Amino acid sequence: QVQLQESGPGLVKPSETLSLTCTVSGGSVSSSNYYWSWIRQPPGKGLEWIGYLYYTGTTNYNPSLKSRVTISVDTSKNQFSLKLNSVTAADTAVYYCARGILVITTTSGAFDIWGQGTMVTVSS
Amino acid sequence: QSALTQPASVSGSPGQSITISCTGTSSDVGGYHYVSWYQQHPGKAPKLLIYEVSNRPSGVSNRFSGSKSGNTASLTISGLQAEDEADYFCSSYTTTSTTVFGTGTKVTVL
Repeated sequence: QVQLQESGPGLVKPSETLSLTCTVSGGSVSSSNYYWSWIRQPPGKGLEWIGYLYYTGTTNYNPSLKSRVTISVDTSKNQFSLKLNSVTAADTAVYYCARGILVITTTSGAFDIWGQGTMVTVSS
Repeated sequence: QSALTQPASVSGSPGQSITISCTGTSSDVGGYHYVSWYQQHPGKAPKLLIYEVSNRPSGVSNRFSGSKSGNTASLTISGLQAEDEADYFCSSYTTTSTTVFGTGTKVTVL
């Protein structure tokens, strides 16, 4: 079955760039039935949607993070990635990658498969 | 975009039914049939319970059901069990094609 796995540094310094990669196994990031998202969860808090990417390269981001976020895809490696620049302590969170269900052309907001999550701490 | 509003906590005894609300606006919950619900146990990734307001993915117990009226969606858990003790989050599609999550509800089984 399809599995997602996040990877990347667990510690990032303030003002630097957070970079994470999600590897898709058992399925293809190029599937036309799904889209791919990053979601985060600060310790003890709720979920925050960061953004999504469709394999064609189409993206959309949370307005509150839009100026700092880039999500990209590498179809040859079956991976998609997150870059969040100018990080602060407020960006400390568990970061999840997730597969979203497309309903015709609508990004439904239903995420049926999640990675296990990776904790990223922003600290000097 | 503002988070959808959920009660911070809901509790019930084994066998009872409980309902969790998720209130948004006409720009998200009220405007679309794209509300989802997730269950999250401590230290684990969220699990999809309900999509498109009332649909259950394969393998999800029929004790979980969803509905919507106006700008408020609801998740009902019937026949509450100890294993249902977890955090629950709703999410919705929005007019700008983004996704917004709810504030989360902690369910306690008494």
